Amino acid sequence: AQTVTQSQPEMSVQEAETVTLSCTYDTSENNYYLFWYKQPPSRQMILVIRQEAYKQQNATENRFSVNFQKAAKSFSLKISDSQLGDTAMYFCAFMDSNYQLIWGAGTKLIIKP
Amino acid sequence: EPEVTQTPSHQVTQMGQEVILRCVPISNHLYFYWYRQILGQKVEFLVSFYNNEISEKSEIFDDQFSVERPDGSNFTLKIRSTKLEDSAMYFCASIMGLTGSPLHFGNGTRLTVT
Repeated sequence: AQTVTQSQPEMSVQEAETVTLSCTYDTSENNYYLFWYKQPPSRQMILVIRQEAYKQQNATENRFSVNFQKAAKSFSLKISDSQLGDTAMYFCAFMDSNYQLIWGAGTKLIIKP
Repeated sequence: EPEVTQTPSHQVTQMGQEVILRCVPISNHLYFYWYRQILGQKVEFLVSFYNNEISEKSEIFDDQFSVERPDGSNFTLKIRSTKLEDSAMYFCASIMGLTGSPLHFGNGTRLTVT
């Protein structure tokens, strides 16, 4: 069975610091997609970044980047120059070949002023 | 940018009542999903829908739940006889179906069963 594990239930950092959220997954598939979604207090689900497993290059979106280690099945999210608006739950998710998303339990990130 | 629309944003109902949660997916998307999230907990998959039929459903999606796409644009989730434990945020999502495209989520419907 495919699983996604986020081992950090909660993290907090000072504004402007860099923070890394960890995610590991387990699958026997070779082609798949990985996502990070952000859920602010409004409870919307917002796509932060995605990674195709067949691409070695790590995805980057402005202050957000990933460290994708396919052999280790690791997909961490780095947020640089963190801002107060980054405070949210962050969910790592794996998409299989049937377009099914498997979710991690989430990491609550608090950015302190 | 087109978006997934869900109505209502908040629904309060009494235990045993039927509720219908409505979603309008993005128009050229082919796959549709319902998820739920009990407050403070993990996102749980309920059901996926493709080509006018259920493609996959979870153990949560029992006989009390049903989905419909009645008119080619709306995608509804019906809960026949609500229970207290159905109180949750319900998210609709859709995806174009092209390889690697992300799910687009609606803003959710907060269901409160009293």
